[in-house]
Amino acid sequence: NFMLTQPHSVSESPGKTVTISCTRSSGSIASNYVQWYQQRPGSSPTTVIYEDNQRPSGVPDRFSGSIDSSSNSASLTISGLKTEDEADYYCQSYDSSSLWVFGGGTKLTVL
Amino acid sequence: EVQLVESGGGLVQPGGSLKLSCAASGFTFSGSAMHWVRQASGKGLEWVGRIRSKANSYATAYAASVKGRFTISRDDSKNTAYLQMNSLKTEDTAVYYCTRPGYCTNGVCFRYWGQGTLVTVSS
Repeated sequence: NFMLTQPHSVSESPGKTVTISCTRSSGSIASNYVQWYQQRPGSSPTTVIYEDNQRPSGVPDRFSGSIDSSSNSASLTISGLKTEDEADYYCQSYDSSSLWVFGGGTKLTVL
Repeated sequence: EVQLVESGGGLVQPGGSLKLSCAASGFTFSGSAMHWVRQASGKGLEWVGRIRSKANSYATAYAASVKGRFTISRDDSKNTAYLQMNSLKTEDTAVYYCTRPGYCTNGVCFRYWGQGTLVTVSS
């Protein structure tokens, strides 16, 4: 079984760039796709990145995803930060033993 | 437009039971796997379980935390998925979402989410 570990919170100023990490505890980060979900207060999650680095239609290209096998982690990068990006972000992956696994979530504050 | 509407949440005593429903529309429900994900107040998302389609033998899978207590079922004639929760514990208190896979080619990510229904387990 594996876990996905995210920083509890990050903060950055409008217009800047922020990166949120998601580290896989065991097994290769590259073995299964990583997704990223955005959840604003009081709302259901929405997908911002799927299959490591794919953006759904309607998600701005300010959002990008990547994986790094050397650190066994995935990253969500948001550039040109806007106040509307303030939300909780969750990474998620899968394997046949642990099934569907979410990271603990990262609270992004844009101040 | 895909819609998922959960219902059936409420207050239940520890050790009690509750059955949640997820009414789906806007897509071919019978051909889709359906999942349940929960979120305790102020906490993160936790996958609960999944039921596959008839073509995949209605196969179910559960998180270790609920296995043996929770059962997922579906009624394709009613376009509805269910989550039967038995032997409820205080730690099962959460908003329960039903979700439908999408985007990912192998069905392991979630595209559509309901608004959630709150389950409170308390004496």
